[in-house]
Amino acid sequence: GNSVTQMEGPVTLSEEAFLTINCTYTATGYPSLFWYVQYPGEGLQLLLKATKADDKGSNKGFEATYRKETTSFHLEKGSVQVSDSAVYFCALGSYGNNRLAFGKGNQVVVIP
Amino acid sequence: EAGVTQFPSHSVIEKGQTVTLRCDPISGHDNLYWYRRVMGKEIKFLLHFVKESKQDESGMPNNRFLAERTGGTYSTLKVQPAELEDSGVYFCASKGTGYKGETQYFGPGTRLLVL
Repeated sequence: GNSVTQMEGPVTLSEEAFLTINCTYTATGYPSLFWYVQYPGEGLQLLLKATKADDKGSNKGFEATYRKETTSFHLEKGSVQVSDSAVYFCALGSYGNNRLAFGKGNQVVVIP
Repeated sequence: EAGVTQFPSHSVIEKGQTVTLRCDPISGHDNLYWYRRVMGKEIKFLLHFVKESKQDESGMPNNRFLAERTGGTYSTLKVQPAELEDSGVYFCASKGTGYKGETQYFGPGTRLLVL
């Protein structure tokens, strides 16, 4: 079945540092890939998505590229801010498959 | 346009009691989903409605959980009787139809604690 693996553990970094959160997936067919973010006290918000191989999703300075050859969708941001502190979830959804499969999420803490 | 709303935001109940969670999807969205995140684990799919019909309920953990979507608008998820392991955050999401309707939009979640 479809599954998503995110790197283990929280991520703590200083403001203006470079952020990478790894995400790899296992899927049949041609899934869409998503990053959702949950800010403290709020619900899940779609951060960005990519629907086919080599697509790059981007939003709020975050980017992720759909790499079919490495089955990855790593999230990156060049210069994080304190306001980026949140939990980030990688997710996979297949066309016609209305289930999203989520990774465990990564808590990101940005220190001033 | 209003987003997905859920009620209540928090619920604390005792084991054996009943709790009903409500979800109001984005207006016009035929697809409605329930997910659950148990502490420290992945967000897991529970079920999927298309309008008022259950399209896929294979993620429902057991028969103590009952989901309904009468009239194809809002949905309820009832847990009866609640057990300790039911504690977690219950998310609802909705999605439109067609190619542009690929994105699921989530509500803020209901945090359920069973004591």
